[in-house]
Amino acid sequence: NAGVTQTPKFQVLKTGQSMTLQCAQDMNHNSMYWYRQDPGMGLRLIYYSASEGTTDKGEVPNGYNVSRLNKREFSLRLESAAPSQTSVYFCASSDSSSGANVLTFGAGSRLTVL
Amino acid sequence: RKEVEQDPGPFNVPEGATVAFNCTYSNSASQSFFWYRQDCRKEPKLLMSVYSSGNEDGRFTAQLNRASQYISLLIRDSKLSDSATYLCVVNMRGSQFYFGTGTSLTVIP
Repeated sequence: NAGVTQTPKFQVLKTGQSMTLQCAQDMNHNSMYWYRQDPGMGLRLIYYSASEGTTDKGEVPNGYNVSRLNKREFSLRLESAAPSQTSVYFCASSDSSSGANVLTFGAGSRLTVL
Repeated sequence: RKEVEQDPGPFNVPEGATVAFNCTYSNSASQSFFWYRQDCRKEPKLLMSVYSSGNEDGRFTAQLNRASQYISLLIRDSKLSDSATYLCVVNMRGSQFYFGTGTSLTVIP
C-alpha cells in the first residue's frame, strides 16, 4: 500500500517557468490537500479538495492552481514561478467522511526557484 | 490569533528524561486532535490521536482538556530516536485541519 505518492521529489526552476506537482493516493480518501512548509512558518494550506470535483483556496493560494483530476489525483500547478515559492510542498489526503479523519502525507517535493 | 499554538522550543533533554509538550487551540468546536512527528527533511507522520479520556502508546501519553482547550504529549524515558519536531494538529470538521508550528525536541546522550 503506497499511501500518498508525489512527484517530483526535487525540482529547480528559473523565475517565470511553470511546472506541475503531481499527487496520487491509493487509500480511497475523499479529501486531498496541498501544503507548503517554510522554516519557522509551519505548514500552510495552499489549496484543498474536500471531495472529487471540488477545490477550495487555503491560506496561501496566490500563484498556484490545482486540479482534482479524479478521486485519486490532485495536482498543483505553478504558472509563473517566483523565488518566494521556493519551499517544500507536501500533498496529503484524509477520509473526511469517516470518524477516523487522519491526514496522511506524501514524502514531499523540494522546489527551488532561482 | 492562531488557531493552534505550541511552544516552539527547542527542548534539549538528556536520554531517559521525561518531557512534556503542550498545545492550545482557539476553537471550542474542534473535533479531533492529533500529535504528528516530523523528522528533518521528511514528511509529518501520525504519532497518535488524542482522545478525551487520554490515551497511551508505550512511552507516549496524550491528554485532551476540552474545558481549557489544550492537548498535551508526555514522552517518558526519552530515547535518542525521539529527536524530532512534534506537531499539534486539530481537526475542526471535515477537511478543516489546523497545525501548530511544531516543537523541536533533541535528546542528548
